[in-house]
Order: sequence, then C-alpha cells, then structure tokens
Amino acid sequence: AQSVTQPDIHITVSEGASLELRCNYSYGATPYLFWYVQSPGQGLQLLLKYFSGDTLVQGIKGFEAEFKRSQSSFNLRKPSVHWSDAAEYFCAVGAADSWGKLQFGAGTQVVVTP
Amino acid sequence: NAGVTQTPKFQVLKTGQSMTLQCAQDMNHNSMYWYRQDPGMGLRLIYYSASEGTTDKGEVPNGYNVSRLNKREFSLRLESAAPSQTSVYFCASSERESNSPLHFGNGTRLTVT
Repeated sequence: AQSVTQPDIHITVSEGASLELRCNYSYGATPYLFWYVQSPGQGLQLLLKYFSGDTLVQGIKGFEAEFKRSQSSFNLRKPSVHWSDAAEYFCAVGAADSWGKLQFGAGTQVVVTP
Repeated sequence: NAGVTQTPKFQVLKTGQSMTLQCAQDMNHNSMYWYRQDPGMGLRLIYYSASEGTTDKGEVPNGYNVSRLNKREFSLRLESAAPSQTSVYFCASSERESNSPLHFGNGTRLTVT
C-alpha cells in the first residue's frame, strides 16, 4: 500500500525567502504524485502533479516540485514566498488503477512572517 | 463556475442523530469521492463512486453510507453520529482517469457532541 510522509508539521518563513516542503512516499510502482494547497476555510487546490517525463514540474503560483525516484521524494519549492502563500500544503500519491483514491500526507502548515 | 458544491457548511449534531451531507458537481465528472480531514492525519477516503451507479468503500467507511443519486450528486449519510465522526468532510470529483486531479468542495465542518 502506498503511504506519504511530510516530515515538517509546521514551517515559518520570511516573506521573500525561499521555501522547500518535503514529501517522501512509499509505493511499489511508479507513483502519481500531487501537491495541493489549502487556504483557511477552503477546499484543496491542485498546485502541480507528476506522472511521468521531466522530473521537474512547474505548477501554479510560482511553485515547482522535483521527483527523485532514488530518494522516493517529491519536494515542493518556491524561490520567493509571498504573504498569500501562508496555507497548509498536502502531498498526495496515487496509483494508475485507483482514480482519485489518493493517499495524503498529514500536511505542512506554512506561516509567512513580514 | 460553481465546481463542487457542498451543503451544509457547518453542522452540530448530538450523539445518535442522523444527517446527510450533500455534494453536487457541475463539471460532468464521472468519479466522485468523500474524504474526511482530521488534524495531523491529512485526508482519508471514506467512500468513492467511480461512475454513476457504483460506490465502493475507501479507507475509513465504518459509520457512513453513500448514495450516488445521479452523475452530479453524491451524498454521505451518518445514520447514528458519534463523537469520533467530528471532522471536516470534503467532497471531490474527477474524470475517470488515473492522472486526473481531484476538484474539491469547500468542506462541511461537523461537530458531534
């Protein structure tokens, strides 16, 4: 069975600084990987996804993520954080035969300070 | 562009009461899902419906039932609510393809006292 670990429960970053959120997964085959963002009181919004091909994927809002098979990781990055990036971020893994049955990580809460 | 609409947004129940959470999507998606979100646990799949007329259990189905009323609507029912069901419930929909992302509603915050 697949699983996802987000080691950081909470991260505080200064506005304008870079941000990296870690995600490690466990899955036997090639995983389908996603990053979602949740603003307070809202549902989850897709930031980016990886299925195959180029291991560096670009998403919305200036985010990117890199798939590293050797490290079973799919870390999310943003070069310069804006105050509006304060939110909770979820990594998720899926499989080719399981539409929408994603395994989510516990989430990382990002706080942006002035 | 409503997307996925959930009602109600908030609900308080007493232990043993029943209620139905409603979900509708206007994106013509085949597949729909119910997740619950609990602090420190991410989202866990309760039930899903791969297509109209089919439903299947997810990771945490106990205490819940679902109905795929038509292609647009997928409801979640708590027959006898328990405090352990206090959570935020999210409905989502997607195309019936493994690389299709989920589109989420804004959630229903349920408290069972």
